[in-house]
Amino acid sequence: AQSVTQLDSHVSVSEGTPVLLRCNYSSSYSPSLFWYVQHPNKGLQLLLKYTSAATLVKGINGFEAEFKKSETSFHLTKPSAHMSDAAEYFCVVSDLGGSYIPTFGRGTSLIVHP
Amino acid sequence: EAGVAQSPRYKIIEKRQSVAFWCNPISGHATLYWYQQILGQGPKLLIQFQNNGVVDDSQLPKDRFSAERLKGVDSTLKIQPAKLEDSAVYLCASSLDGQRLSRETQYFGPGTRLLVL
Repeated sequence: AQSVTQLDSHVSVSEGTPVLLRCNYSSSYSPSLFWYVQHPNKGLQLLLKYTSAATLVKGINGFEAEFKKSETSFHLTKPSAHMSDAAEYFCVVSDLGGSYIPTFGRGTSLIVHP
Repeated sequence: EAGVAQSPRYKIIEKRQSVAFWCNPISGHATLYWYQQILGQGPKLLIQFQNNGVVDDSQLPKDRFSAERLKGVDSTLKIQPAKLEDSAVYLCASSLDGQRLSRETQYFGPGTRLLVL
């Protein structure tokens, strides 16, 4: 069985400071990991994904994430937050074994202060 | 490229009534997903189609929920009868070919917000 835990329900940063959104996963097989962003009144959009290639994955809008198998983590980072980054972020795990059901975390709300 | 379309955007019904949601995926996408997103939670997969066949419906409450994808294109999700706890946003997503389902990027529609009174 697979699962994903987003360690923070809310993260608050000032504009121009680094962003760290934490995600830990559990998977019995080789996982694929995704980060999606949901802006208010907009559909979910893919930020980046890991599918067993390079462990450091670069996404859109300056975000990146590193797959660390030993720590079962896939944390999302950005060097400098922008006001437009304020949104809900979801970490998703999907594995190759038997079930392909994408499992979403509960989400982390990113708040960016001017 | 047109995105995933969903209708209606909002729906308010009384408990025990029935309701249906419609989804039109991105043209050429073989795989279609329906999710339920309750306020404050992440989306939960209800059913996954590849073309017009069901890949997974293990989390679909089959006593009241049903879904179909005729001709492998658009899809409808129905709730009959609705309960208060069905109040949620229902999201539809599609992905390209479904050959490697675990690696597929999903493209989401705007969702249908359902309120059951």
